[in-house]
Formats: sequence, C-alpha cells, structure tokens
Amino acid sequence: QKEVEQDPGPLSVPEGAIVSLNCTYSNSAFQYFMWYRQYSRKGPELLMYTYSSGNKEDGRFTAQVDKSSKYISLFIRDSQPSDSATYLCAMSGSGGNTPLVFGKGTRLSVIA
Amino acid sequence: IAGITQAPTSQILAAGRRMTLRCTQDMRHNAMYWYRQDLGLGLRLIHYSNTAGTTGKGEVPDGYSVSRANTDDFPLTLASAVPSQTSVYFCASRQQPSSPLHFGNGTRLTVT
Repeated sequence: QKEVEQDPGPLSVPEGAIVSLNCTYSNSAFQYFMWYRQYSRKGPELLMYTYSSGNKEDGRFTAQVDKSSKYISLFIRDSQPSDSATYLCAMSGSGGNTPLVFGKGTRLSVIA
Repeated sequence: IAGITQAPTSQILAAGRRMTLRCTQDMRHNAMYWYRQDLGLGLRLIHYSNTAGTTGKGEVPDGYSVSRANTDDFPLTLASAVPSQTSVYFCASRQQPSSPLHFGNGTRLTVT
C-alpha cells in the first residue's frame, strides 16, 4: 500500500458545483497536511495548510482532516473555470526534516 | 517578488551529455529539494538539503548529483543524461520542518 493515495481523475464538473477532492494515507505519524494547486506548465502552489485534525476554511476552499480515518479532503464551493488545475495533497510527520509525501494529484476541469 | 528561480525553463539534451539545472531562492530558507514530475507517477524526490553544506538522497537519486555551497543555490547535475531522465524538474524550499514547500516553475527536460 502506498503511503498516500489520491484518485487521479480526471474530474469534470459544471461551473458553480461543489467539488470534493480526497486523499487517504497509511502513516499515522503524519501531522501536517497540505493541498497544492498546479496549473499547466507551472509549479505547485500552496492552497491550504493544516495541522492535525479539524477543518480550515479560506474563502471558497475548506480543508478537512480526519486522522482517525486517515482521510483528508478539500472542498471547493461555487467552483469556477479558473479552478481548473491539478490538485495535490501532501503530508509530513513532525519529526525532524522529513520530506513531504505527495499524492499523485487529481486533475479537475470546471466547465463554464 | 521573493521566490524560487529555476533555469533553464526548458532544454533538449542529447543522451550522454552533462547538464546542470539551476535553482536559486531568495527567501533564506534552510531546506531545499529537487523533485521530478512524471505523468502517472506524480512528484518524486531526487535529492534534498536540510541546510547549506549537507545533502541527502531521496526516492530516485540515481544518475543525479547535487551540491549546496550556500543557502541560496541548489544545482542539480545529470552527469550523463539518459532518455529516462526526460521529465519536468521542480526545485522547492522551506524554512523549517513544519513549513510547507515553496516551488519554482520547473525545468522541462527532454533527453533524446
């Protein structure tokens, strides 16, 4: 079993829809959880950053972490065509300089 | 604007040639990383450096070398390029272990 699993999609939704993106993981030591957005021919950019369990909201984006289920989610409300990108989850433990472990990314298209 | 600069943005290279990908950051981050991103495989860590003067191997280090002579620069060298090294290469950095990564915009390398 890979450390982080993420459905690659592609996922296609109409403009205005609520989008749910998810990752599961196997390492219970993970404490820091991130979502990155990557546009075509660009580097990943940080979208959301959370520590341990709980929810975090930023505008139309909500990140959820359920450590008991080893499951994280990113919700996008009122999705826009400009949200079309690849979304990568990433996570790391709290011990030392452990590199981030990334999901493979989910490709999202929001159709106007 | 503070960030990570990668050069070149793209390159076509003959197999067997030597190539250095450059990465410079102006955020004074301690840790720097090199990833390659391939379709279906996601981001894979090649090498990393937790602080100037130290380096470490990631998931796919073979055929690559790095150096970290100072805080700002972290070049990646392919000693003798092979076609399987055709990929998009991303440099990233972060200030401390719990911080998220900041990425450059990548170098698209084709080895023929």
